[in-house]
Amino acid sequence: AQSVSQHNHHVILSEAASLELGCNYSYGGTVNLFWYVQYPGQHLQLLLKYFSGDPLVKGIKGFEAEFIKSKFSFNLRKPSVQWSDTAEYFCAVNGGSQGNLIFGKGTKLSVKP
Amino acid sequence: GAGVSQSPSNKVTEKGKDVELRCDPISGHTALYWYRQSLGQGLEFLIYFQGNSAPDKSGLPSDRFSAERTGGSVSTLTIQRTQQEDSAVYLCASSPGVKYGYTFGSGTRLTVV
Repeated sequence: AQSVSQHNHHVILSEAASLELGCNYSYGGTVNLFWYVQYPGQHLQLLLKYFSGDPLVKGIKGFEAEFIKSKFSFNLRKPSVQWSDTAEYFCAVNGGSQGNLIFGKGTKLSVKP
Repeated sequence: GAGVSQSPSNKVTEKGKDVELRCDPISGHTALYWYRQSLGQGLEFLIYFQGNSAPDKSGLPSDRFSAERTGGSVSTLTIQRTQQEDSAVYLCASSPGVKYGYTFGSGTRLTVV
């Protein structure tokens, strides 16, 4: 069965620090990969997605993610975080004939002003 | 409407009662998904509908859970004889196809007392 691992449960950073959130998945074939964000009190929103082409994907609000097939990874990055990036971040994967997304357990990011 | 609409936004019910949760997807989205979000557990897939195909019910945790989608649009998730462990936020999402990602609703927070 497909699965997604997000190794960091809670990350605490100061403003302007760089961010990298890890995401690894288990599926050997073609995959579609996603990062979602959930700001406090709000619904889940799509940050970025990858399904083919350039493995470096740019999303909204300055976020980017890199698909490294050999490492089964799709880590999320941002060069300089802001207090407003405080949220929970979810990685998700869809592979092969799977018709739905499999989500990781999420990483809570707290940014100190 | 422009987004995915879920109702009610909050539901408190007594243990043993049945509940119905409603989802109005984005018009034209052929796929509709139900997930459950519990604290620290990420998003647990429940069921999805794709067009006129039979739904994928592989994520339903017990036979107390069922869902239907009428006319390829509105969906209802029914939980019979609710238990305290059913307390969670129930999320609905719709999509034109899984590789495009989902648009989520705001969820229904279910509390079983």
